[in-house]
Amino acid sequence: QQQVKQSPQSLIVQKRGISIINCAYENTAFDYFPWYQQFPGKGPALLIAIRPDVSEKKEGRFTISFNKSAKQFSLHIMDSQPGDSATYFCAAAYSNDYKLSFGAGTTVTVRA
Amino acid sequence: DADVTQTPRNRITKTGKRIMLECSQTKGHDRMYWYRQDPGLGLQLIYYSFDVKDINKGEISDGYSVSRQAQAKFSLSLESAIPNQTALYFCATSDPTGIGDTQYFGPGTRLTVL
Repeated sequence: QQQVKQSPQSLIVQKRGISIINCAYENTAFDYFPWYQQFPGKGPALLIAIRPDVSEKKEGRFTISFNKSAKQFSLHIMDSQPGDSATYFCAAAYSNDYKLSFGAGTTVTVRA
Repeated sequence: DADVTQTPRNRITKTGKRIMLECSQTKGHDRMYWYRQDPGLGLQLIYYSFDVKDINKGEISDGYSVSRQAQAKFSLSLESAIPNQTALYFCATSDPTGIGDTQYFGPGTRLTVL
């Protein structure tokens, strides 16, 4: 049973558009929420992470929005570029062990 | 040189064969993990080890075993491979800090069981 539900499975966005990926979790004990980015033929790599004591975190064109009451968090990719085409995974963990539960992944394609 | 290496990168084997996937890291991390990636399912944790003497089952450990030979080496074995173990396998390492925990993934091993 997947502890983190991720949607959509895939999306296509035009260059300079905004990509939005959503994740939901059930376990309120989770207190660490990272996003990983995976390019074809490569292993995933940490992109950005947030804790539930803040509602938003921004790093460059990537922003995590966090809604603790709704148990949801999302990744926004602003000004999407062809180089952002990749699969994105959300995840959740308890900070007592940081064992990650991953979402199913979203494949983002940015059209030039 | 890559910090986390996996061998082999690709492997085709037959049902019933024993196979070992190997992972080595030069990051000096105590924690190591084995994941399996299937389309539409994301990454599922098979086994993890928080130090050389610590081995723990993950979400999907049935049909798999592991060995932590040293801080730097963590091997995954399929004792008797079956076709539904065809997948992409990733090893990862991490070293938690007070801020969070970044997992560093290897390049993956694509395994096909015929």
